Amino acid sequence: DAKTTQPPSMDCAEGRAANLPCNHSTISGNEYVYWYRQIHSQGPQYIIHGLKNNETNEMASLIITEDRKSSTLILPHATLRDTAVYYCIVRVPYNNDMRFGAGTRLTVKP
Amino acid sequence: SQTIHQWPATLVQPVGSPLSLECTVEGTSNPNLYWYRQAAGRGLQLLFYSVGIGQISSEVPQNLSASRPQDRQFILSSKKLLLSDSGFYLCAWSVGVDRGDQPQHFGDGTRLSIL
Repeated sequence: DAKTTQPPSMDCAEGRAANLPCNHSTISGNEYVYWYRQIHSQGPQYIIHGLKNNETNEMASLIITEDRKSSTLILPHATLRDTAVYYCIVRVPYNNDMRFGAGTRLTVKP
Repeated sequence: SQTIHQWPATLVQPVGSPLSLECTVEGTSNPNLYWYRQAAGRGLQLLFYSVGIGQISSEVPQNLSASRPQDRQFILSSKKLLLSDSGFYLCAWSVGVDRGDQPQHFGDGTRLSIL
């Protein structure tokens, strides 16, 4: 699976959009991009995933660049409860191993 | 909707004692099931996965074993715990038959401390 690179930490003001970037320059054509988050002492929570089209659900939006070498997770109106470590994962179909890296620690500030 | 339950939430065990962690999934049939371990400050390590009753695949050699006695039940066991078995153990499930992109959904984990 392709390697991902994320900034170690980011801050965001409450009520503003949080834009979390992820680089996956070695992604191959059939690899999906997944985003999870982990709030302290809890299991990872699935947020969203996509292949090449932009995706949106009730939690977030996923923007994948046309060359698929990077993506951005957007939390449209961040709240204090969105403070967590956010993981970007690239995975080939049917691979059983979700390989979590170091992620980005997002702190939402009042 | 689907839910996943893990218990206990925390566990403190002496070295050499046995272990049994249980995970159950509700609201779905024939799920794929997974056990991961997360060491402090590190990423997740896949330990076992199962695509059906009695079918277990091990990803790393270790002191642990897994069993799937029922469709939605996954158990992680050890006969004799080592200090290195300490960590945060996570169970996850995914749709059993899919096009290959379905995400895994995690439980809230068991924090295991070995003394």
